[in-house]
Amino acid sequence: KQEVTQIPAALSVPEGENLVLNCSFTDSAIYNLQWFRQDPGKGLTSLLLIQSSQREQTSGRLNASLDKSSGRSTLYIAASQPGDSATYLCAAHSGNTPLVFGKGTRLSVIA
Amino acid sequence: NAGVTQTPKFRVLKTGQSMTLLCAQDMNHEYMYWYRQDPGMGLRLIHYSVGEGTTAKGEVPDGYNVSRLKKQNFLLGLESAAPSQTSVYFCATKRSNQYNEQFFGPGTRLTVL
Repeated sequence: KQEVTQIPAALSVPEGENLVLNCSFTDSAIYNLQWFRQDPGKGLTSLLLIQSSQREQTSGRLNASLDKSSGRSTLYIAASQPGDSATYLCAAHSGNTPLVFGKGTRLSVIA
Repeated sequence: NAGVTQTPKFRVLKTGQSMTLLCAQDMNHEYMYWYRQDPGMGLRLIHYSVGEGTTAKGEVPDGYNVSRLKKQNFLLGLESAAPSQTSVYFCATKRSNQYNEQFFGPGTRLTVL
């Protein structure tokens, strides 16, 4: 059974800092991994989707990497801004089961 | 193009009452999902559907029923609401298969007194 873990649960950084959010999964036979952002009281917004055949995906200041052999994905945020403050969730898709979500990392970017 | 919409946005029920949450999508997606999100528990899958007329149980299906009579709509029903069903409910959709991106609705905040 796939399990997804995100550590740390919360992170606070000063504005302008580059940062990395971590996601680990137990079953390396994944089809893809998706990163989401959730603002307080809102739904989830898809940020990046990495297929199993890909090593990374980029969108603006965001870069997500995937290492299936080690069961890890990272989300890199460059030059963080207060507007980046949110909860970031990763989710893995493997087998015939729906997405399995981590519990998220709550990011605070301090001005 | 509204994407994924959920009705209602907020609702307060008394224990034992029933209600139906509606998820509607205009993206012609085959797969639809219902999740609940609770503090410390993360997102948990309730039920899902891989196409019109199909439904399947997720991780926490007890106390809920679903129907997918039309491709664009996925209904979540609570027949006899309990305080343990107080939560934020999210609907999500995906185009067709495991390689596609999943999209979420804005959520419904339900309180059961």
